[in-house]
Amino acid sequence: SQTIHQWPATLVQPVGSPLSLECTVEGTSNPNLYWYRQAAGRGLQLLFYSVGIGQISSEVPQNLSASRPQDRQFILSSKKLLLSDSGFYLCAWTENGNTEAFFGQGTRLTVV
Amino acid sequence: AQKVTQAQTEISVVEKEDVTLDCVYETRDTTYYLFWYKQPPSGELVFLIRRNSFDEQNEISGRYSWNFQKSTSSFNFTITASQVVDSAVYFCALSGGGADGLTFGKGTHLIIQP
Repeated sequence: SQTIHQWPATLVQPVGSPLSLECTVEGTSNPNLYWYRQAAGRGLQLLFYSVGIGQISSEVPQNLSASRPQDRQFILSSKKLLLSDSGFYLCAWTENGNTEAFFGQGTRLTVV
Repeated sequence: AQKVTQAQTEISVVEKEDVTLDCVYETRDTTYYLFWYKQPPSGELVFLIRRNSFDEQNEISGRYSWNFQKSTSSFNFTITASQVVDSAVYFCALSGGGADGLTFGKGTHLIIQP
C-alpha cells in the first residue's frame, strides 16, 4: 500500500534562517506531488506541484522554493524565512488529476 | 477560475443530532471532481469521498451521506446521529482533473458536544 512521510512534525525557526522540509512517498511510481500551506484561519493554499523529477510549478510567488530530486521525494525550501512563513505545511500525492489526494501528517512551522 | 465556498465557519450541535455541511462550487470545466476531507485536531487531512461531475448519484457510507446537485452547484455532506469523534474541520475541494491540485473551501469547524 502507498504511504506518505513528511518531516519534521514541528519546527521553530528564527527569522532569516533557512528551511528544508522533506516529503517521501512509498508504494507508487511517478506520483503527482504537492505542497500546501494552511495559515491560521484554516484555508489551504497550494504552493507548488510537480508531475515528474525536476518539474516544479509554482502557484504563489514567495520566498519559498521546491525541488523534486527523485521520483518520490519532494522538498520545500527557503533561504531566509519570514514571520509570514509560519503555518502548517502539508505534502500530498495523487496518481493523477482525477484521483483523490493523500496527505502527509504535516509540519507545523513557527518563525520567531 | 475555480472557487469553493463553505459558508458555515463553525457549527455546534449536541451528540446524536444530524448535521449538514454545505459546499457550493464554481467552475467552467465540464468535467470536474469534488472531494470532502476531514481534518481532526492532529492536523492530517483524511480523505472521505470523491464525486465525478457526471455522476449525480447520492452516496451513503454508514452515518455519512453526500448530496451532489449540479443544478445548484452544491455538494453537501450530512452526518446522521453525530458523535463526539466527528468533531473536526471539514473541507470541500474541487479539481478540474489536471495535475494542478485541489481548490479548497475555507473549511467548516464542526463541534459535537456530548
